[in-house]
Amino acid sequence: ETGVTQTPRHLVMGMTNKKSLKCEQHLGHNAMYWYKQSAKKPLELMFVYSLEERVENNSVPSRFSPECPNSSHLFLHLHTLQPEDSALYLCASSQDRATDTQYFGPGTRLTVL
Amino acid sequence: AQTVTQSQPEMSVQEAETVTLSCTYDTSESDYYLFWYKQPPSRQMILVIRQEAYKQQNATENRFSVNFQKAAKSFSLKISDSQLGDAAMYFCAYRSASNNNDMRFGAGTRLTVKP
Repeated sequence: ETGVTQTPRHLVMGMTNKKSLKCEQHLGHNAMYWYKQSAKKPLELMFVYSLEERVENNSVPSRFSPECPNSSHLFLHLHTLQPEDSALYLCASSQDRATDTQYFGPGTRLTVL
Repeated sequence: AQTVTQSQPEMSVQEAETVTLSCTYDTSESDYYLFWYKQPPSRQMILVIRQEAYKQQNATENRFSVNFQKAAKSFSLKISDSQLGDAAMYFCAYRSASNNNDMRFGAGTRLTVKP
């Protein structure tokens, strides 16, 4: 247990649905991250979020939108997704953006039909 | 652009033996961090070991050690006395020290431990 939890663990949604992934960290960290993990591909950093600012990876489609209401919670809102968005979505946190070590959650397995 | 390459998609090792996982990376920076993460079948990614580029001494954590060759941009992981619980996907990762948002992972190496 690394202190980072994610819900739901599994999600199946249609392309017209709107859903949200939730991440919560219990480590007192100030920075949180969303990653996409697809089969046989490197992890892709999607978003970095901290108290100070949100930094987006420019290649992330607008159908993904993060929200960080406080330092302990991070959401990833999903709408009108495509089948190629099916993947494992990992949340991570670190003490701050400059801290090198990140702690990961167990992930949400997303399937888009 | 910084890239991280793991040339071994799969590796296997006999229990109690030693195995080395390779990783190379590309960067124009002199200061950065390197990591090995382990992802067991339960999927939770766990930090195995980390190395600061400015340190010449290779990092060690119990049975895990690295061979960091900065000039060659190589960062291999050695697992000694392999245990069944070491079976997992292993990811090599790079993080820039100057760009906090530049975190890159390799494609991973699946390690199987044979009893």
